[in-house]
Amino acid sequence: KAGVTQTPRYLIKTRGQQVTLSCSPISGHRSVSWYQQTPGQGLQFLFEYFSETQRNKGNFPGRFSGRQFSNSRSEMNVSTLELGDSALYLCASSPGLAAYNEQFFGPGTRLTVL
Amino acid sequence: KQEVTQIPAALSVPEGENLVLNCSFTDSAIYNLQWFRQDPGKGLTSLLLIQSSQREQTSGRLNASLDKSSGRSTLYIAASQPGDSATYLCAVLQGGSEKLVFGKGMKLTVNP
Repeated sequence: KAGVTQTPRYLIKTRGQQVTLSCSPISGHRSVSWYQQTPGQGLQFLFEYFSETQRNKGNFPGRFSGRQFSNSRSEMNVSTLELGDSALYLCASSPGLAAYNEQFFGPGTRLTVL
Repeated sequence: KQEVTQIPAALSVPEGENLVLNCSFTDSAIYNLQWFRQDPGKGLTSLLLIQSSQREQTSGRLNASLDKSSGRSTLYIAASQPGDSATYLCAVLQGGSEKLVFGKGMKLTVNP
């Protein structure tokens, strides 16, 4: 079974631009979560989607948004990029409720904002 | 607010040692706890998942225990190898949410 895939793996953008990251979960998994990892803050939860519905959202500004498609693939968008948005963005998938299921992470997208 | 702590932040040991990695959390209302490893520049690899009703889980040379009432988990690595060198993170799934709260991780170096 293929693992979680994320595209692109690396991105370089400039301040003020916007970016879209993509995540394809493990086949059959319906929940997708997104996390931001930085050296200073560690891993922080962005949002979680299940069956195209956002169920949970972390404490990030409205510039961070996401969506999930009917095939469970998910995208996250960051608008008006700031230098502090430079980070490794990770997505995780699980079959259903995280309370009962292991979460599996993708390799991440490394975003650099200049 | 849930806080997860991993101490120490880094550990360097010779090959063959048995290791204990510690994780503590402040709010015992968790659904489960998961241990991950992360290699430099890579994503997270799930090692073990312990449900809140369980006391321990084992996989190969790894054994993880959970004491929910005291807010602690330990990851035991037997007979460490250089290939075990990585950053180890623990994360708790907060009750009532789908959100994992992570510790800052412990960087392990196993020297040949």
